[in-house]
Amino acid sequence: ETGVTQSPTHLIKTRGQQVTLRCSSQSGHNTVSWYQQALGQGPQFIFQYYREEENGRGNFPPRFSGLQFPNYSSELNVNALELDDSALYLCASSFGSGTSYNEQFFGPGTRLTVL
Amino acid sequence: DQQVKQNSPSLSVQEGRISILNCDYTNSMFDYFLWYKKYPAEGPTFLISISSIKDKNEDGRFTVFLNKSAKHLSLHIVPSQPGDSAVYFCAAKLAGNQFYFGTGTSLTVIP
Repeated sequence: ETGVTQSPTHLIKTRGQQVTLRCSSQSGHNTVSWYQQALGQGPQFIFQYYREEENGRGNFPPRFSGLQFPNYSSELNVNALELDDSALYLCASSFGSGTSYNEQFFGPGTRLTVL
Repeated sequence: DQQVKQNSPSLSVQEGRISILNCDYTNSMFDYFLWYKKYPAEGPTFLISISSIKDKNEDGRFTVFLNKSAKHLSLHIVPSQPGDSAVYFCAAKLAGNQFYFGTGTSLTVIP
């Protein structure tokens, strides 16, 4: 059984650029959540996708957007990068009905540095 | 607005003794509480959870206690082992699957 994978592992961008991060969910999972973890902080919920639809969003501006594909993999897109976007971006997958709680499995994360 | 707080950034415990990690929250609408363990260069790994309608859940060496009146939960690890050394995150869930994490407590178990 393949776990949650994320790509790339590290990324360096400059202010104003756009970035796309990718996540492959664990086999059998239909729900993907994205988190931002700044240095010294806990993960902060960005949004969740359930069966290709956004199913909840945290306090992040619209320049953070996402997609979920029919195979339940997912992308996180960030436009107009700012220095404060530098963080570890974590993806977590789970199997759920969209409203019920099920255990999340996290990927190793993508470390984004914005210069 | 930090809805889940872990006020101890670090904790050191002797091997074999009890480790107690604490967490406070502000939102009474949270319906599930969870503890995650994180090693460097890995994503958080689920450890144990508790529903808001329970006050205790036990799984082997790990026990989580929930005090709803005090909006406080704690994770007890007995006995502590060197392999338990990691960062522990407390998390809380709202209906709709929004999760809120604390800032983490780094546990060091000294052999």
